[in-house]
Amino acid sequence: NAGVTQTPKFQVLKTGQSMTLQCAQDMNHNSMYWYRQDPGMGLRLIYYSASEGTTDKGEVPNGYNVSRLNKREFSLRLESAAPSQTSVYFCASSEFTGSSYNEQFFGPGTRLTVL
Amino acid sequence: GENVGLHLPTLSVQEGDNSIINCAYSNSASDYFIWYKQESGKGPQFIIDIRSNMDKRQGQRVTVLLNKTVKHLSLQIAATQPGDSAVYFCAEENTGGFKTIFGAGTRLFVKA
Repeated sequence: NAGVTQTPKFQVLKTGQSMTLQCAQDMNHNSMYWYRQDPGMGLRLIYYSASEGTTDKGEVPNGYNVSRLNKREFSLRLESAAPSQTSVYFCASSEFTGSSYNEQFFGPGTRLTVL
Repeated sequence: GENVGLHLPTLSVQEGDNSIINCAYSNSASDYFIWYKQESGKGPQFIIDIRSNMDKRQGQRVTVLLNKTVKHLSLQIAATQPGDSAVYFCAEENTGGFKTIFGAGTRLFVKA
């Protein structure tokens, strides 16, 4: 039981390049999330998927796209990377109950640098 | 906009002492207040949550207190251990919502 896995762990891009961050969970959770974490700051939600087949914008969606490929996988794409997107990206998943807090389980993160 | 913030960016305690990490919030409509722990190089890990209609909740070695009058949240760690060294985030969320709002974090150092 690996929990939430993310690939790659590290990535360096040049401005304008594109890439996709991959995330998978094996806990059969309905909901998945992408966050970014900048130095000295908390996590900010980029996009989330409440359930398979749905995606919604979070707090900072500009410059990103997502795909909920199936129940297990949720990818984040940068079409044209910018230095402002240098950050650590975390994927998370949770089981939506509708009646209590949805504890989120986080992956180990992807450290992205855009030159 | 609404935000969750922290009083102290760093906290240093002696091993065995109790730790108190504080947080201020501004959204009175939030249903849940949560604490996450993040160790170096890892993703955040859920510690404990408290519903807005509660004042106190206890877990294993941790207690969360919620004071809605002054919009204040705290995390108490009993008998702090070296393994407790991490960044602690407070967060808030509405029931049925998916948008957890995280604070900036407090770094806890435990001195042996």
